[in-house]
Parts: sequence; structure tokens; C-alpha cells
Amino acid sequence: NAGVTQTPKFRVLKTGQSMTLLCAQDMNHEYMYWYRQDPGMGLRLIHYSVGEGTTAKGEVPDGYNVSRLKKQNFLLGLESAAPSQTSVYFCASSYDRVFTEAFFGQGTRLTVV
Amino acid sequence: DAKTTQPPSMDCAEGRAANLPCNHSTISGNEYVYWYRQIHSQGPQYIIHGLKNNETNEMASLIITEDRKSSTLILPHATLRDTAVYYCIVRVAGGATNKLIFGTGTLLAVQP
Repeated sequence: NAGVTQTPKFRVLKTGQSMTLLCAQDMNHEYMYWYRQDPGMGLRLIHYSVGEGTTAKGEVPDGYNVSRLKKQNFLLGLESAAPSQTSVYFCASSYDRVFTEAFFGQGTRLTVV
Repeated sequence: DAKTTQPPSMDCAEGRAANLPCNHSTISGNEYVYWYRQIHSQGPQYIIHGLKNNETNEMASLIITEDRKSSTLILPHATLRDTAVYYCIVRVAGGATNKLIFGTGTLLAVQP
């Protein structure tokens, strides 16, 4: 049981390049989330999904797109990377009941130069 | 969404109880209080949650005041490995949303 796996773990992009971060979970969770974490800012919710084929905006969605074509995968896309998107990105998943815990991946450290 | 207020940092001596406070004065009746922690550069880890009764598990205890406007996370015997940022979160409830909104948390430093 791998839990939540993020790919890649590290990446350096040039401004304007695009990339996709992959989040995979093997717990059959309905809900998945993408967060970014910057120094002194805590975790901020980018986008989330309440089930296969659905996505919704979080606190800071601009500059990102997401897709949930399969229940176990949640993809975060940067179409044209900017230095302001340099951050550590965390993916999480949870059951759809309000009293259950969320499981987090180990993070992707992205640097945009 | 109910907001939470936590002190930015706290110290605790190793082996002693760590008591981390959280204020959530605008919490509504169907919202739960969750605690997570994040050890340096790792993904956050679930600790405990509660609605209105006190809760205890193998990691910690959660004490929620009767009016539910504040809570305290208790680590009964803190170790150096408990040094982390602790987040108090009020779970947004209702509709199809189930999102967790994190604040900036409390940095707990356990001292030897």
C-alpha cells in the first residue's frame, strides 16, 4: 500500500515552460487536493476534486489547471511557468466523509528560473 | 468558513506535556476541529479530530471547550521527534465540498 505518491520529487523549469505534476493514490479515495507551500505562508489550496471527472478551484487557482480522468490520479498542470510558481507542491487524498483524515504525499519541489 | 488562530511558536521540554492552543470562535455546529502536523520538508500528517467531545488516540488528546470556540492539542510526553509545525483546522462542511484550509500553524520546538 503506497498511499499517496507524487511524481516528480524535484523539477527545475524555465519561465514559460509547461509541465504536469502527477498525484496517484491507491486507497480508493474520492477526494483529492493540490496545495502549494511557500515560506511563511502555510499550505494554500490550489484545486481539489470531489470525484472522478470533477474539479473545483481552491484559494489560489490562477496559473494552474487540473484533471481527474481516473479516480486514482489527480494531475496538476502549469501551462506557462512563472517564477512566482516556485514552491513545494503537496497532493492529498481523503474519503468523502467529513470525519475522515487526509493523506499527503511527500511533495514536489519546483523551481522556475 | 470558520477561521483559526494559533500562536506562531512554542517551546516545550522533552518529556513534558505540550499544550497547543487554537481559537475558532466562529465555528458552526456541524464543523469538526482537525489537527495536523508537518515535520520539516515532509507532507502533513493527520493527528486527531473532534466535534464537541474530548478525543484521545495513540498520538495525542484533543480538548474542546464546551462552547466549541477553542481547543487544545495535548502531546502527553513530547519527544524531539515531535518538533514540527502543528495546524489546527476547522473542516468546511456542507454541499459537495470537503476541503481542508490550512493556516500558518504553530511551530513547536521540543528542547532536550
